[in-house]
Amino acid sequence: DTAVSQTPKYLVTQMGNDKSIKCEQNLGHDTMYWYKQDSKKFLKIMFSYNNKELIINETVPNRFSPKSPDKAHLNLHINSLELGDSAVYFCASSPVLGANVLTFGAGSRLTVL
Amino acid sequence: GENVEQHPSTLSVQEGDSAVIKCTYSDSASNYFPWYKQELGKGPQLIIDIRSNVGEKKDQRIAVTLNKTAKHFSLHITETQPEDSAVYFCAASLSYIPTFGRGTSLIVHP
Repeated sequence: DTAVSQTPKYLVTQMGNDKSIKCEQNLGHDTMYWYKQDSKKFLKIMFSYNNKELIINETVPNRFSPKSPDKAHLNLHINSLELGDSAVYFCASSPVLGANVLTFGAGSRLTVL
Repeated sequence: GENVEQHPSTLSVQEGDSAVIKCTYSDSASNYFPWYKQELGKGPQLIIDIRSNVGEKKDQRIAVTLNKTAKHFSLHITETQPEDSAVYFCAASLSYIPTFGRGTSLIVHP
């Protein structure tokens, strides 16, 4: 069983479209995250949720809206996609808030044309 | 906030050689230092970590050292193998969100 699973793995879309990436973890973890990895491999935190509550929002444009229907799921919706949104988006989870060890998903590569 | 510098950005070695990746951090209050390995097409995976009350930790061919005074820590891989080829990230954690270095692409030539 995959611990942290993301769908879709690849996403190609046109500028201006709206798209969503879904994430699910079966580890029983309380805390989930979204990271963005740019073309130079830099990993940047976007959001963190703890038990469905938003904990961190790192100066991400409000076109990005995370949603956590329950503590096992954290979805990312992006409105009005721009070229600069092209990146690999990683979902991750950790056992509790304050536990530093992250388990990452395999990533979702978004390409905006 | 925390700032983590990682060097080198690319490291090329021959199979069997040792590889060393170095990181420095800015906030002396950081107390947790993990290392992640990212293989092509996959997410980062924790390979070893160290806390600020420990100076060195070893797991088979991998070791991490921490110098709190100088605020730097290093990853050492001995007897490198082609399957060690990947991008390695260091991180430093003050609260519950680690700050990542920019990664080192390790290439092990057979």
